[in-house]
Amino acid sequence: AQRVTQPEKLLSVFKGAPVELKCNYSYSGSPELFWYVQYSRQRLQLLLRHISRESIKGFTADLNKGETSFHLKKPFAQEEDSAMYYCALLNAGNMLTFGGGTRLMVKP
Amino acid sequence: EAGVTQFPSHSVIEKGQTVTLRCDPISGHDNLYWYRRVMGKEIKFLLHFVKESKQDESGMPNNRFLAERTGGTYSTLKVQPAELEDSGVYFCASSQRWGQGHYEQYFGPGTRLTVT
Repeated sequence: AQRVTQPEKLLSVFKGAPVELKCNYSYSGSPELFWYVQYSRQRLQLLLRHISRESIKGFTADLNKGETSFHLKKPFAQEEDSAMYYCALLNAGNMLTFGGGTRLMVKP
Repeated sequence: EAGVTQFPSHSVIEKGQTVTLRCDPISGHDNLYWYRRVMGKEIKFLLHFVKESKQDESGMPNNRFLAERTGGTYSTLKVQPAELEDSGVYFCASSQRWGQGHYEQYFGPGTRLTVT
């Protein structure tokens, strides 16, 4: 069975501080992992995916198969980063399995 | 390009009543997915259509839930009869062709269902 775990429900940091949102997964196959973000009053949207290895809005995430992790990082948090962040795993059948989400609050 | 739309945005019904949620995917998207988030829980997969066919309905909780996608365009999700534990936010998503590779799933704004 596949599972995604986000251990922190809430992460509060000050503007300019580094941010790391943790995500661990379990999956028997080759995982395809994503981070989705939901800003206040907006719909869920894709932030980044591990296969593209890109940086979006200053965020990066590296897939670590040994530790089965896909942590989301940003060196300097901005107030506009405040949102709900969801880590998700896509299986071979195109079904997304989501973690419980982490609310990031960036304080001024 | 219009995004995925869902109707209604919020529905409040009494236990035992019937509710039908609608999802209009992005035009041309073959794949349509339903997910839901009940209070305090993760967003969970319900089912996946490829055009008008159900590709995977393993996440449907029970036979009170019926999803259709006639003609391969919009989809409806009917809950009959609704129970208190059905309260939550129902999301619809769509993505492009089924086939090689995986395409980004675009989410709708969700329908908040409250069963009293």
